[in-house]
Amino acid sequence: NAGVTQTPKFQVLKTGQSMTLQCAQDMNHEYMSWYRQDPGMGLRLIHYSVGAGITDQGEVPNGYNVSRSTTEDFPLRLLSAAPSQTSVYFCASSYTAVSGGELFFGEGSRLTVL
Amino acid sequence: GENVEQHPSTLSVQEGDSAVIKCTYSDSASNYFPWYKQELGKGPQLIIDIRSNVGEKKDQRIAVTLNKTAKHFSLHITETQPEDSAVYFCAASDDNNAGNMLTFGGGTRLMVKP
Repeated sequence: NAGVTQTPKFQVLKTGQSMTLQCAQDMNHEYMSWYRQDPGMGLRLIHYSVGAGITDQGEVPNGYNVSRSTTEDFPLRLLSAAPSQTSVYFCASSYTAVSGGELFFGEGSRLTVL
Repeated sequence: GENVEQHPSTLSVQEGDSAVIKCTYSDSASNYFPWYKQELGKGPQLIIDIRSNVGEKKDQRIAVTLNKTAKHFSLHITETQPEDSAVYFCAASDDNNAGNMLTFGGGTRLMVKP
């Protein structure tokens, strides 16, 4: 059972470039989300989805887009990368789309924007 | 919105000693408080959680306490072992949040010295 799979694990971009971080889960989880992790700031929610076709903004959504065309996949798009988006990105999913469900995290994608 | 403060940011203990990490939250409506452990190069993993109708919960060497009046909760690890070395995150959420949104603290890096 693979759980939550993120690709790529590492990426270096130049300012202004675009890219997509991929996230896939094989647990038939209803809820999926993206967090970014920065030193001393914990994990901050970027976007989330409570089911296929439904997405919404989290705490820090600017500069990022998401879509949820299938239950399994939840890609995160950076349209025009900025140095402030240098971070480690985590995708997480849970069986339930309501508060209190265990979040299962991927292993992270480390992004550097030059 | 919710704000979660976590202290200390780093904690060094001798193997066999106890470790305590404390968190405070701002939203009195929060009613679910999980703790996640993140090992080097991995995504966070749930280790214990507590709901607002319970004051304390234990699981082997790990315990969590909650003081709703003071709006703070703590993680206690007894008889620490080198494999307890990791970054620990507290988090909070409430049932009124859309989706399974968690607000995380800034993290505590625990180092257990053999």
